[in-house]
Order: sequence, then structure tokens, then C-alpha cells
Amino acid sequence: DTEVTQTPKHLVMGMTNKKSLKCEQHMGHRAMYWYKQKAKKPPELMFVYSYEKLSINESVPSRFSPECPNSSLLNLHLHALQPEDSALYLCASSQGTASLWGNTIYFGEGSWLTVV
Amino acid sequence: GENVEQHPSTLSVQEGDSAVIKCTYSDSASNYFPWYKQELGKGPQLIIDIRSNVGEKKDQRIAVTLNKTAKHFSLHITETQPEDSAVYFCAAGALTFGSGTRLQVQP
Repeated sequence: DTEVTQTPKHLVMGMTNKKSLKCEQHMGHRAMYWYKQKAKKPPELMFVYSYEKLSINESVPSRFSPECPNSSLLNLHLHALQPEDSALYLCASSQGTASLWGNTIYFGEGSWLTVV
Repeated sequence: GENVEQHPSTLSVQEGDSAVIKCTYSDSASNYFPWYKQELGKGPQLIIDIRSNVGEKKDQRIAVTLNKTAKHFSLHITETQPEDSAVYFCAAGALTFGSGTRLQVQP
């Protein structure tokens, strides 16, 4: 079982709603990630936090707003989303700094988001 | 940037046979290559990884080989079982994933 916990597992929201996805890990990891995964596609990196600071934003639209309240928690705030934003949103974490070339990354089970 | 190509996109084998999935990468600076298994409705789970100072790594029925000169790495699953059926992704680091291979193990 994964040690990265994501809530909710499923979320349906309207295009005018504001909602949040939550992620928690208690492995002492200092890097946390958000990925987006469409059906039958690989995960696409959205954001990386290293020591609670945003270190990478892969040109993600501002309707997605990440937040890292502390080293164990990562949120993704959603506002004014479009139907094409419907996807599986994966949180992940890794030990140490967010060196993208050498860390073992552990994924959560994901949050299925449907925008109607 | 890095580009990872993965083949085949689908693979069907009989239970007990071996399965091989291959990936190539473009950036010679890449030095970490994980493999993930993703079952339906779940997040990707790391099954094995290899770093560039190692040519091969094994964990029970799963092995990964790396050829840095040719810039390719492969996942080998021996004695396949129906529960091995899933989508498998290779990756170079955390940023770049292969397109995935859907493995179906027929009982």
C-alpha cells in the first residue's frame, strides 16, 4: 500500500466551483509533486515542491494553484476548471531535494476529477 | 529536453512466459531509470529502478538492464502471472515517462 494518501478519491465539480485536492505523506520526504494523468497516457508533471517551496511549475494554467502548508501536506486548489481538465491527479513524494534525475518517487492512488 | 520512447504499446503473453518491455532515452546526462506498474484505477507503483552506475538489477521475477552507450533500458518479467497484467511505464528521472505498455497475461 502506498504511503502517500490522497483525498478525495473522486471529485465532480462544476466549472464555476472552487475545490481542493489534498495529499499527505509521513515518510519524512522533503519533495512533493503533482502530476496530471489523462486516460491511456503517462503522468505529466505539473508542480514540484522542495522543502516546502515551489521549485518547478511546468507552465500550468493559473486555475490550478498548489500549496504546501508543511513538509507533510500538499494541496491543489482548483477554480474555474474546464471539462478538458478532467483527469486523474496524482500526488507523489521523494526523499531529499527535488533532484529530478535521481530520486525514487512514490505515488499516491490519485484523485479522479470530473469537471462538468 | 529528455525524450523517452517505449515499446511495445501492448503485449500479450501466456502465463509462465517471459515479457520484455524496452525504452530508449535521448539525454545522455540521465542517470536514474524507474519502472512503474499501474493497475486499473490506481496510481503508479514503483516496481524496480536502476541507476547509471549499474548495468543490471534483479528483484525476484523482475529485472532491469541498462545500456548507457546505446541509451536504452529494458524491463524483463519472467514466469508471468495473471496478476502481472497492468500498464507499465518507464521513466527517466521524475520528469519524463514513456508512453506505457499494456501487458496482458493470459491464464
